[in-house]
Amino acid sequence: DAGITQSPRHKVTETGTPVTLRCHQTENHRYMYWYRQDPGHGLRLIHYSYGVKDTDKGEVSDGYSVSRSKTEDFLLTLESATSSQTSVYFCATGTTSGRTVSYNEQFFGPGTRLTVL
Amino acid sequence: AQRVTQPEKLLSVFKGAPVELKCNYSYSGSPELFWYVQYSRQRLQLLLRHISRESIKGFTADLNKGETSFHLKKPFAQEEDSAMYYCALSGIKETSGSRLTFGEGTQLTVNP
Repeated sequence: DAGITQSPRHKVTETGTPVTLRCHQTENHRYMYWYRQDPGHGLRLIHYSYGVKDTDKGEVSDGYSVSRSKTEDFLLTLESATSSQTSVYFCATGTTSGRTVSYNEQFFGPGTRLTVL
Repeated sequence: AQRVTQPEKLLSVFKGAPVELKCNYSYSGSPELFWYVQYSRQRLQLLLRHISRESIKGFTADLNKGETSFHLKKPFAQEEDSAMYYCALSGIKETSGSRLTFGEGTQLTVNP
């Protein structure tokens, strides 16, 4: 568990302000993901990364951007926070087994609870 | 498109009773299915994956391709099983990595 950390763990901010969440991993995993968790919706993928400087959009990417300048860190930025972005944000990492069939398992960080007033 | 449906948002059973958490999926290819569990105020952790046919903490899940289901079962529920359970599907095998699609989750409460 200690291999994936998120900062901050809690944040309260105001509508219209930019917010950056950080995910840090020591697992040397290639893939990293940002999800948001909301009641009734489960986890929804925001953005993901398949390598340094390689990122792509998930299903709920509007209003979010990401950057990955090194393997260990994956940043999620809310460009102008809105109340609808109040949520719990989870980072995850993943690696394929290298076998013919990949396990596709993902490992999760502890989450960041973000409140936008 | 891939989709995962967990029809029960809440499930309550008594200790020692059997429990089944339902999961149905929609995917045109050969999926990989997972169950993740989130105990109160903790991070999600992998419980089961169909490909390894494991039994973890007494839970089992069988992939039924005919019914497109991956229900999670345990014959005798324990109070420590109370948690949120997510079914997830991975169906993309492109080089950009496998993306998990999660269901909405089922909150299981095991009463004493």
